[in-house]
Amino acid sequence: DGGITQSPKYLFRKEGQNVTLSCEQNLNHDAMYWYRQDPGQGLRLIYYSQIVNDFQKGDIAEGYSVSREKKESFPLTVTSAQKNPTAFYLCASNYEGAGELFFGEGSRLTVL
Amino acid sequence: GENVEQHPSTLSVQEGDSAVIKCTYSDSASNYFPWYKQELGKRPQLIIDIRSNVGEKKDQRIAVTLNKTAKHFSLHITETQPEDSAVYFCAASNNYGQNFVFGPGTRLSVLP
Repeated sequence: DGGITQSPKYLFRKEGQNVTLSCEQNLNHDAMYWYRQDPGQGLRLIYYSQIVNDFQKGDIAEGYSVSREKKESFPLTVTSAQKNPTAFYLCASNYEGAGELFFGEGSRLTVL
Repeated sequence: GENVEQHPSTLSVQEGDSAVIKCTYSDSASNYFPWYKQELGKRPQLIIDIRSNVGEKKDQRIAVTLNKTAKHFSLHITETQPEDSAVYFCAASNNYGQNFVFGPGTRLSVLP
């Protein structure tokens, strides 16, 4: 069954800690994306990657880092430098230039 | 960069009535305009999309229209049903699927 898997679904973090959110896809998609969703603000792009070992900053990359060592995987690290990390994070993928984004089920991060 | 505005932010309609959500974009290079539906607690899913070489597209009760000159596009849902209740996001993209910019979303409530 093809799709995008995000984990964990819920995550609690203390201030000052880094956390890594996992995103895995078996759709053979070239491009992968990380979005942050806050109430009333839609989806804002954090980072995206169009090919293995390459990625670009999105609109709100500060305080986040990513890697793309494998085509299937695009983990996101929320660092302690992110001022307001509590949010819902969505990973997505698509064939480059082919339109439809496929989303994972999301990870909800809460900083205590 | 691209900026996408979406109106209204909330919309309530009676079951069976029509609903219209409007989006405007700023970048004339955008050429792909998808609409996503996000039910409560679930991932966004594509419901319809339109490319810049087409003025209108219809899929059963859902239609999208595009006015490139005015840089706006709209989602039309006819004969609304309770299961249409969700948050709807419009988006604009260049190169048919890269660099998506999302609108802030419209919360649609269909009242029985």
